[in-house]
Amino acid sequence: DAKTTQPNSMESNEEEPVHLPCNHSTISGTDYIHWYRQLPSQGPEYVIHGLTSNVNNRMASLAIAEDRKSSTLILHRATLRDAAVYYCILSGDLTGNTPLVFGKGTRLSVIA
Amino acid sequence: EAQVTQNPRYLITVTGKKLTVTCSQNMNHEYMSWYRQDPGLGLRQIYYSMNVEVTDKGDVPEGYKVSRKEKRNFPLILESPSPNQTSLYFCASSIRDGRYEQYFGPGTRLTVT
Repeated sequence: DAKTTQPNSMESNEEEPVHLPCNHSTISGTDYIHWYRQLPSQGPEYVIHGLTSNVNNRMASLAIAEDRKSSTLILHRATLRDAAVYYCILSGDLTGNTPLVFGKGTRLSVIA
Repeated sequence: EAQVTQNPRYLITVTGKKLTVTCSQNMNHEYMSWYRQDPGLGLRQIYYSMNVEVTDKGDVPEGYKVSRKEKRNFPLILESPSPNQTSLYFCASSIRDGRYEQYFGPGTRLTVT
C-alpha cells in the first residue's frame, strides 16, 4: 500500500473549521483515499472516502488535490465530540480485500 | 440499529486455554474482517471473509482461526493463546468488499497471562 503522511497532532477551537492534511505522493491511479477516525475507547469509524473528485457527506468534506498527491479532510464546525485520532488511508486492492493499514494518524484536540 | 457486535468486550485468560471471540453484524454485509490493534503498530488485519464459507489470511494470521458458516457471524478462534496475542481486537464488516465503508465493532480487549 502507498504510504501516507499526517501531522501527529492538531488543535482546534470549538465551532471553528478544521483542515486535516494528508500527503500521499506515491499514490497509484487505483488508490482510493479513505478517512477513518477513532474516538477514545471506541472502534474506528468511517468518515469519508474519494478517488479524484471532492466529496461531501454529513460528517465532513474531502478535498483532493488535482495531482492526487495530497488531500484534506475538512470538518466544517468542530465539536468536542470530534476529538479523536484521524487516519488517512489509501486502498487500491482490486481483489476487493482492502485491509485498512492504520498509521499513527493525527490526534485532533478540540478546545471549548 | 445497524451494528457490529463483539463478545466478550473484555477477557483475561491463561496461556493455552482455547477461546472464541464472537462477531455478529445485522446489515447483511458480505465482507467481514478481524483486526488487532497494538500500540505503535496500528491496526493489522488477521483474517477476512468475502462471503459465507470464503475466508482468507490477512497480514498476521498466525495463531488464529476463523469460520464463516453464516453471513452474519464471523468468530475468531484462538486455539492456544499466548501472551503475544494480548491485544485489542476489532471486527469489521462491509456491504460487499473491503473497498467500501467498513463498520467496526466496539472491540475486545484480550489479556493472555
